[in-house]
Amino acid sequence: GAVVSQHPSRVICKSGTSVKIECRSLDFQATTMFWYRQFPKQSLMLMATSNEGSKATYEQGVEKDKFLINHASLTLSTLTVTSAHPEDSSFYICSAKYPIEQFFGPGTRLTVL
Amino acid sequence: GENVEQHPSTLSVQEGDSAVIKCTYSDSASNYFPWYKQELGKRPQLIIDIRSNVGEKKDQRIAVTLNKTAKHFSLHITETQPEDSAVYFCAASANDYKLSFGAGTTVTVRA
Repeated sequence: GAVVSQHPSRVICKSGTSVKIECRSLDFQATTMFWYRQFPKQSLMLMATSNEGSKATYEQGVEKDKFLINHASLTLSTLTVTSAHPEDSSFYICSAKYPIEQFFGPGTRLTVL
Repeated sequence: GENVEQHPSTLSVQEGDSAVIKCTYSDSASNYFPWYKQELGKRPQLIIDIRSNVGEKKDQRIAVTLNKTAKHFSLHITETQPEDSAVYFCAASANDYKLSFGAGTTVTVRA
């Protein structure tokens, strides 16, 4: 149990375009999901906390207008990287809290050309 | 906010030997300390965790110790095997909320 999926697993886009990443809890409901970014050979950096039915809470230094988060249901949170640039290329990982443990999605590799 | 420091950044051990990774944290309110194993390009996997009401926890070849007074906790892997090679992250959180991760330790087990 407690499976989290992410889609897509890999995306390549042109600079200036927007990319949406979905995070789903498959067999449980998650009121809280988290979005992380991980650059090569670095740690997971929390970007924002996504709460179902309310606005996301962003960590210091993360632009909320660039990284749009929508947690529209108890099983789905989406992260949209708007006007992506090459420096946004990274591994984006979500996690869902159930009930107190965090379960991680498989990650999305974003490459911006 | 919480600051978690992790050492060493890389660790190479001979198969069968033990590996120890140490972490310190800054927020005295932190009460949950999980350890994750991450293989290249994969998701982090929880391998063991400990709460502040205990000082030690063991699961087969893996153990974690916690010293709340000193604000540090450690991961111990005994009888290491090649499949233990991965990046290991410690983390800390207060009241089961958001996790703050250490920088990671790349463990290489030499056959």
